[in-house]
Amino acid sequence: QKEVEQNSGPLSVPEGAIASLNCTYSDRGSQSFFWYRQYSGKSPELIMFIYSNGDKEDGRFTAQLNKASQYVSLLIRDSQPSDSATYLCAVNLFMNRDDKIIFGKGTRLHILP
Amino acid sequence: GAGVSQSPSNKVTEKGKDVELRCDPISGHTALYWYRQSLGQGLEFLIYFQGNSAPDKSGLPSDRFSAERTGGSVSTLTIQRTQQEDSAVYLCASSLDRNTGELFFGEGSRLTVL
Repeated sequence: QKEVEQNSGPLSVPEGAIASLNCTYSDRGSQSFFWYRQYSGKSPELIMFIYSNGDKEDGRFTAQLNKASQYVSLLIRDSQPSDSATYLCAVNLFMNRDDKIIFGKGTRLHILP
Repeated sequence: GAGVSQSPSNKVTEKGKDVELRCDPISGHTALYWYRQSLGQGLEFLIYFQGNSAPDKSGLPSDRFSAERTGGSVSTLTIQRTQQEDSAVYLCASSLDRNTGELFFGEGSRLTVL
């Protein structure tokens, strides 16, 4: 079983609509969860992190975490063309008392003008 | 500079040659990560350092790959006897410590093996 799984997309969303990105992870001991955005040809940049069950909002972005279901999501409200990018889910895996940050393969998001 | 610096930004080499990639993390960041990203793919974890030690080397693809970090700062990733499948962008990231998940990435080193 892959450690962090995402639908590769592409996910096409009309401008102004809500984009919903999903991620599942395999390690129940994981404590920290992150969403990174990567524009084509650029390096990833952190946009959200979440540690506790529930929702965390930051501007147009909302991260949702459900540890029981091992599920993390990112909602982007009022989607803009500039939101078109690949969104990478990352999880801090705690294994053998050492932890490392593992990324999913990313979901390509395309906002339709 | 204030960010993570990687060099070279581009490297073209012939199959069988050795290459060395360098990463200079943000000053004061104790955790340093190496990832590999092939065209259109996600980030493949290679190795991470906490200080100068590497608790987890399981991501290194083969024994041709090695990495070291000295003085808790600069890290080098060495690939010996390069193969065409090694062609990828090698990304380095640093973090304040391993419990802080915010990674700051460098611009990457694009390796092309002919």
